[in-house]
Amino acid sequence: AQSVTQLGSHVSVSEGALVLLRCNYSSSVPPYLFWYVQYPNQGLQLLLKYTTGATLVKGINGFEAEFKKSETSFHLTKPSAHMSDAAEYFCAVTPTGGFKTIFGAGTRLFVKA
Amino acid sequence: GAGVSQSPSNKVTEKGKDVELRCDPISGHTALYWYRQSLGQGLEFLIYFQGNSAPDKSGLPSDRFSAERTGGSVSTLTIQRTQQEDSAVYLCASSPGLEVAQYFGPGTRLTVT
Repeated sequence: AQSVTQLGSHVSVSEGALVLLRCNYSSSVPPYLFWYVQYPNQGLQLLLKYTTGATLVKGINGFEAEFKKSETSFHLTKPSAHMSDAAEYFCAVTPTGGFKTIFGAGTRLFVKA
Repeated sequence: GAGVSQSPSNKVTEKGKDVELRCDPISGHTALYWYRQSLGQGLEFLIYFQGNSAPDKSGLPSDRFSAERTGGSVSTLTIQRTQQEDSAVYLCASSPGLEVAQYFGPGTRLTVT
């Protein structure tokens, strides 16, 4: 069965610092990969996705993620954190050709002034 | 255009009562998902509808949970004889198809007292 692991339930960075949120998945076949963001008291919003093609994908708000098949990883990064980036971030995978999406437990990002 | 809407936004009910949660997906989206998000946890898949196909109910936690989707649009999630452990945020999402991200509603916060 597929699973998604997000390393670190909480990550704290200073404003202007690099953001790195880690996501590893288990799958025998590369799945579709997603990052979602959830701001307080709101639903989830898509940040970016990987289906096929270029392994470095760019999303909204300056975020990007790189699919590394050999490492079964899809880590999310942003060069410079803003206070407005404080939220919970979820990594998710959907098997190729499938529909049942598995979400990680989430990582809450704190940004310090 | 309008996004995914859910009603009510908050529901407080007594243990043992039945509740109905409603989801209005984005017009034209053929896929509809229900998830449960408990405090401090990730999203738990409950059920998936795709067009006129039989729904995937594999994530429903017990036979107290059921869902239907009428006319390929609006969906209702019903929880019978609610228990305190049912307290959570119930999220609905819709998608135009496979390989595409899901669009989430704001959720219904259910509290069972």
